[in-house]
Amino acid sequence: EIQLQESGPGLVKPSQSLSLTCSVTGYTITSGYDWSWIRKFPGNKMEWMGYISYSGSTNYNPSLKSRISITRDTSKNQFFLQLNSVTTEDTATYYCARHNWEGVMDAWGQGASVTVSS
Amino acid sequence: IQLTQSPSLLSASVGDRVTLSCKGSQNINNYLAWYQQKLGEAPKLLIYNTNSLQTGIPSRFSGTGSGTDYTLTISSLQPEDVATYFCYQYNNGYTFGAGTKLELK
Repeated sequence: EIQLQESGPGLVKPSQSLSLTCSVTGYTITSGYDWSWIRKFPGNKMEWMGYISYSGSTNYNPSLKSRISITRDTSKNQFFLQLNSVTTEDTATYYCARHNWEGVMDAWGQGASVTVSS
Repeated sequence: IQLTQSPSLLSASVGDRVTLSCKGSQNINNYLAWYQQKLGEAPKLLIYNTNSLQTGIPSRFSGTGSGTDYTLTISSLQPEDVATYFCYQYNNGYTFGAGTKLELK
C-alpha cells in the first residue's frame, strides 16, 4: 500500500524559502505517475502547486512559476517542494500526493501545516 | 477554469438523499472528480471522470453531469459522511472548488 508523508519546518519567516519533503513508501516514484504538491489555505481554498513526473520533468501552476521548484532524490524515494520569497499569504497546509494517469490525485499524505510569520 | 460549489453548508439527517453541486466557468468535458475531507485527515478521492467510483468507496456515492454542471449524490446519508466535499477539474489545468461542508441535522 502506498503511503506519503510530508515533513519540514512548521514556521517560516517572510521573504525566506519554504522547503518540504515528501517521503513515499509502497511505490517507487520513478516507476510511474506524477508526484504533486497541493496546498489548502485557511478558509478551505485548495490550490494545486505543481508536480514532478516519474521521468523527472516538472509542471507548475502558472501563478507560482517564478517562485516554485519541485525536485527529487530517487535514492531515497523522496520529492521536495521549495517555495521562495514567501509571504503570510503562503500560510497553509501543504499536501503531497500521487497524480495518476487519469489526472486525479489518488493517494495523499496527511499534510504539513506551515505558518509564515516573523 | 473556476469551480463554484453549492451550497457552501448543507445540513441533513441520517438516511437523507443528499445532492451537492459543482459548476464550472467553462466546459469541463467530464474531467471532474470529487474528494471527501474529514477534519484533520487527507482528502479522499471518491469519484473521477464524473461518474467513476474509486475503489473501496461505498456505492451510496455517485456522480453525474456534463458540460459545466456536475453533481455528487449520497443516496442515504450516514454519520461517517460528515465532511467537506470538494470538486476538482482536470480538463484545463487543475483547480478545486471551495467546498461544501456537510453536517448532520
